[in-house]
Amino acid sequence: GNSVTQMEGPVTLSEEAFLTINCTYTATGYPSLFWYVQYPGEGLQLLLKATKADDKGSNKGFEATYRKETTSFHLEKGSVQVSDSAVYFCALGSNFGNEKLTFGTGTRLTIIP
Amino acid sequence: DTAVSQTPKYLVTQMGNDKSIKCEQNLGHDTMYWYKQDSKKFLKIMFSYNNKELIINETVPNRFSPKSPDKAHLNLHINSLELGDSAVYFCASSQQAASYEQYFGPGTRLTVT
Repeated sequence: GNSVTQMEGPVTLSEEAFLTINCTYTATGYPSLFWYVQYPGEGLQLLLKATKADDKGSNKGFEATYRKETTSFHLEKGSVQVSDSAVYFCALGSNFGNEKLTFGTGTRLTIIP
Repeated sequence: DTAVSQTPKYLVTQMGNDKSIKCEQNLGHDTMYWYKQDSKKFLKIMFSYNNKELIINETVPNRFSPKSPDKAHLNLHINSLELGDSAVYFCASSQQAASYEQYFGPGTRLTVT
């Protein structure tokens, strides 16, 4: 079956540091890949997505590239801000029609001033 | 104008009781979901409805029963509540079943004592 593995958290960084949150996946075929973000006390929001190999998703300074050869979709940001503190979820959507997102376990990110 | 709304936001109840959580979306989406998020932030899908028809029913105890009176509403009724049901329950919607761009509600924190 499909699965997503994210780096264990929590991750604590200083403001303006470089961020990487690793995500790898196992899936049949060519899934779509997503990063969702959950700010404290809120529901999840779609942050970015990529639907095919070598696609790069980007939003709010975050980027992730769909790497089929390494089955990875690592999230990066060049300079984090305190407002980026949240829980980040990598997710996979199968293109074989089972119509559900498979989420990773989430990585809690805290940015300190 | 909240896109996906849930009520109540907090629910504290005793073991054995029956409770309901309501969800409404005003996005005109065809598909709605219920997710359960445990204390470690692990997110698991429970149910999905497309145009009022159940399309995803994960391994969830029979005590949980979703109901979709129309495509803008998806309610979750839980019978005979147990301690292990304590979690945050999220409603979400997407434009169609095959779309993984989901919009989440703010969550309902259920505490069973």
